[in-house]
Amino acid sequence: GQSLEQPSEVTAVEGAIVQINCTYQTSGFYGLSWYQQHDGGAPTFLSYNALDGLEETGRFSSFLSRSDSYGYLLLQELQMKDSASYFCAVRDGYSTLTFGKGTMLLVSP
Amino acid sequence: GAGVSQSPSNKVTEKGKDVELRCDPISGHTALYWYRQSLGQGLEFLIYFQGNSAPDKSGLPSDRFSAERTGGSVSTLTIQRTQQEDSAVYLCASSLVGQGESYGYTFGSGTRLTVV
Repeated sequence: GQSLEQPSEVTAVEGAIVQINCTYQTSGFYGLSWYQQHDGGAPTFLSYNALDGLEETGRFSSFLSRSDSYGYLLLQELQMKDSASYFCAVRDGYSTLTFGKGTMLLVSP
Repeated sequence: GAGVSQSPSNKVTEKGKDVELRCDPISGHTALYWYRQSLGQGLEFLIYFQGNSAPDKSGLPSDRFSAERTGGSVSTLTIQRTQQEDSAVYLCASSLVGQGESYGYTFGSGTRLTVV
């Protein structure tokens, strides 16, 4: 089977930097993805890492270490609108994703 | 369409009744997925359709759940004899073949099912 572990909740203040970690155990591995979901909304795709290293997209960056079965999402210059749930997901088979239980990020003024 | 459309957005049903949930994926997306999200939980995979291939039904929790996809486009998820534990948000997503990872899934806003 497969499992993903991520913190249930993270808090930070506006303008700060926050890191959301994700560790995974899967029988196969084809990449780590991150999704954002605002309360009551649809999950939206943020990033994808297939290879080790850091991928940067604006204020968001995602990191992967396959040897450590570990990745993280880094959010810089936090804004109130970043308050949401963040899910890591792995593809360990043909095409479907297995998601973690999500990390709720609370950004305060 | 511009996005993934799901209907109804909310559904309240009595225990034991059958329900049908509809998903209209992005035009041209050959891959379609159904996930279920219970309150405060992650997304649980249910079923995956890819073109004309046999669907991957490995995530369906019981034989009360079934899904079909007609003409490679619209999909319907059917839950028979609903139970209270079926209450959840049912999410549909679509993606391009071979690009499901690098471009991500596009999710609909979901159907919130409440079984009373």
